Amino acid sequence: EPEVTQTPSHQVTQMGQEVILRCVPISNHLYFYWYRQILGQKVEFLVSFYNNEISEKSEIFDDQFSVERPDGSNFTLKIRSTKLEDSAMYFCASSELGGSSYEQYFGPGTRLTVT
Amino acid sequence: ILNVEQSPQSLHVQEGDSTNFTCSFPSSNFYALHWYRWETAKSPEALFVMTLNGDEKKKGRISATLNTKEGYSYLYIKGSQPEDSATYLCAFKGAGNMLTFGGGTRLMVKP
Repeated sequence: EPEVTQTPSHQVTQMGQEVILRCVPISNHLYFYWYRQILGQKVEFLVSFYNNEISEKSEIFDDQFSVERPDGSNFTLKIRSTKLEDSAMYFCASSELGGSSYEQYFGPGTRLTVT
Repeated sequence: ILNVEQSPQSLHVQEGDSTNFTCSFPSSNFYALHWYRWETAKSPEALFVMTLNGDEKKKGRISATLNTKEGYSYLYIKGSQPEDSATYLCAFKGAGNMLTFGGGTRLMVKP
């Protein structure tokens, strides 16, 4: 069964460093998403991406964050200068289309630890 | 700010017990309600997407109902098994593609 994959599973970085989290969505899907869960809190939406551009973003997704689909398979989230409060589990998701009845399929997450 | 709440936060049941938990969400601007099953260190697994008031969905021993007028959904598990132990998440979808998640219900089934 097709699945969303994410690398690395765990990333440790120092405050102020740039990190890139990578995702391979399901191959025929057109919509891509990033969510995150800070320990003990709810899963939060960051951004959605369609047709090579951001279609929706939350207040969390400020200028420190960017997303890219550098080739036909990868979808990346870059954090330019990490802060301690960026420590969280980051989930990538994809859906076939963007309508109400379409499931969003999640990857297993990347745990980002900022020290 | 959308408020999606789940109760209880955690639940311990014996194998064979049937159980249910609740997701409450805004009744306005409703497009869909998603249910996920999430085991530690694995991907959240999509269970159901519910869009219509009165919807009932079933997958094996797990079923869900939806009331959009009053803003709640119930998830039922019949005859719980240890492998049902997981966190169950609901997520509200409004007009965009963003999902707003509840805090989850952590279910532990004792053999």
